Amino acid sequence: KAGVTQTPRYLIKTRGQQVTLSCSPISGHRSVSWYQQTPGQGLQFLFEYFSETQRNKGNFPGRFSGRQFSNSRSEMNVSTLELGDSALYLCASSERPGTSVGTGELFFGEGSRLTVL
Amino acid sequence: KNQVEQSPQSLIILEGKNCTLQCNYTVSPFSNLRWYKQDTGRGPVSLTIMTFSENTKSNGRYTATLDADTKQSSLHITASQLSDSASYICVVSPVYGNNRLAFGKGNQVVVIP
Repeated sequence: KAGVTQTPRYLIKTRGQQVTLSCSPISGHRSVSWYQQTPGQGLQFLFEYFSETQRNKGNFPGRFSGRQFSNSRSEMNVSTLELGDSALYLCASSERPGTSVGTGELFFGEGSRLTVL
Repeated sequence: KNQVEQSPQSLIILEGKNCTLQCNYTVSPFSNLRWYKQDTGRGPVSLTIMTFSENTKSNGRYTATLDADTKQSSLHITASQLSDSASYICVVSPVYGNNRLAFGKGNQVVVIP
C-alpha cells in the first residue's frame, strides 16, 4: 500500500505570493490533517478534513486554508506569504475521523518544505 | 505553557549505549500517548502508542513507559545505532471536546560512532 504522498517536496516563494500544497492520503483513508513544523514551535495543527468536511481548525490566520476532494486528496493554500511561513508542512492521514484529537493512528507524509524569501 | 514538555532538548550518545528520553504532560484526561521518530527532512513515524491504562510498550530496541499518576512518559533506546539519530516526539491525545493532539517539541538525539 502506498504511503501518504505530498507534493511538492521543496519550494521557494517570495513574500506576498501564494502557495498550494497537495496531499494524497493512503488508499482508503478519508481523514487528512495538516501540520506546520518549525524548529522553534514544533508541530502545530492547522486543520483536519474528513469526507470533504473540515472537522477541526487550529489557531492560524485566515491566510491558511484547505480543502478536501471527493477522492480524499487534500490541498492547503497559504496566501500573502510572510517570512514566518517558512516551515515544513506535514500531512497525515487516517482511516477514522478525529485524527486531530487522537482517535486514529496517524500516518505522516514526507512533508513540503516551504522557504519564503 | 506547552502541555507537553520533553527533555533533554538534545543529546549526543555513543553508538551501542542506551539512553532515556523524558516526556512530561499536563493533558488530562487523556486517551493515549504516542512516541514518534522523525528523521531529518522526513515525516514522523509512529514508534509506540499507549493507552492511559498501559504502563509499557516495546517496539524492537525502543521501550516506552507511562506513569499516568505522575503524568510522565519515557522512551528508552537500547544499544543505540547510528540510524537512531533523529528527533523523538511525544504526543498526547485528549479525551474530550474540541481539544487537539498536544505535541512536544521533540528530543534531538545524535548517535556518534
